[in-house]
Amino acid sequence: GQQVMQIPQYQHVQEGEDFTTYCNSSTTLSNIQWYKQRPGGHPVFLIQLVKSGEVKKQKRLTFQFGEAKKNSSLHITATQTTDVGTYFCAGICVNTGTASKLTFGTGTRLQVTL
Amino acid sequence: DTAVSQTPKYLVTQMGNDKSIKCEQNLGHDTMYWYKQDSKKFLKIMFSYNNKELIINETVPNRFSPKSPDKAHLNLHINSLELGDSAVYFCASSRKGPIETQYFGPGTRLLVL
Repeated sequence: GQQVMQIPQYQHVQEGEDFTTYCNSSTTLSNIQWYKQRPGGHPVFLIQLVKSGEVKKQKRLTFQFGEAKKNSSLHITATQTTDVGTYFCAGICVNTGTASKLTFGTGTRLQVTL
Repeated sequence: DTAVSQTPKYLVTQMGNDKSIKCEQNLGHDTMYWYKQDSKKFLKIMFSYNNKELIINETVPNRFSPKSPDKAHLNLHINSLELGDSAVYFCASSRKGPIETQYFGPGTRLLVL
């Protein structure tokens, strides 16, 4: 079945440092979504990318969708303590012949200290 | 006004018991989901309903039975609870299907003793 892996599993940075999480799918994706889950909270939608090679920015966050639509990345510039949480990518596999479903990545937990 | 709500928030119960979790969304969405998040934070889909019709049933033991009385509600009943059922269960909804933004409920933290 489809697998979506993220690296690293965990990263601890000092406030002000940059952070990147990478998402890799075993199959081609029709789209990629990114979610953030604060400790003790629920996943909250951040963004969706659909086109091959697409890049989108949200303030200090930059999202990329790979040319082959099998990988994606989220880069945070100058992290702040409010960035703490677990970041999940999630994608829908292209043409499985079964009902579409969003498969979540394994997540990257980000810890930011002063 | 909460968009996706779940009850209860916490559930502590003994092995072998039967329990239910309720979910309601007031967003007018057609599609609702149940996800299970284990202790390692892996988030896995269990069921998906579109307009009260079961669309996805992800090899979940048949001790788990979802029920959608109308498109705004999706409940989850679990029979004969096992230790391995301990997890956080999230309900979510999206407007038409999984390609759209999913809105998650606050989660139900289930602990089976």
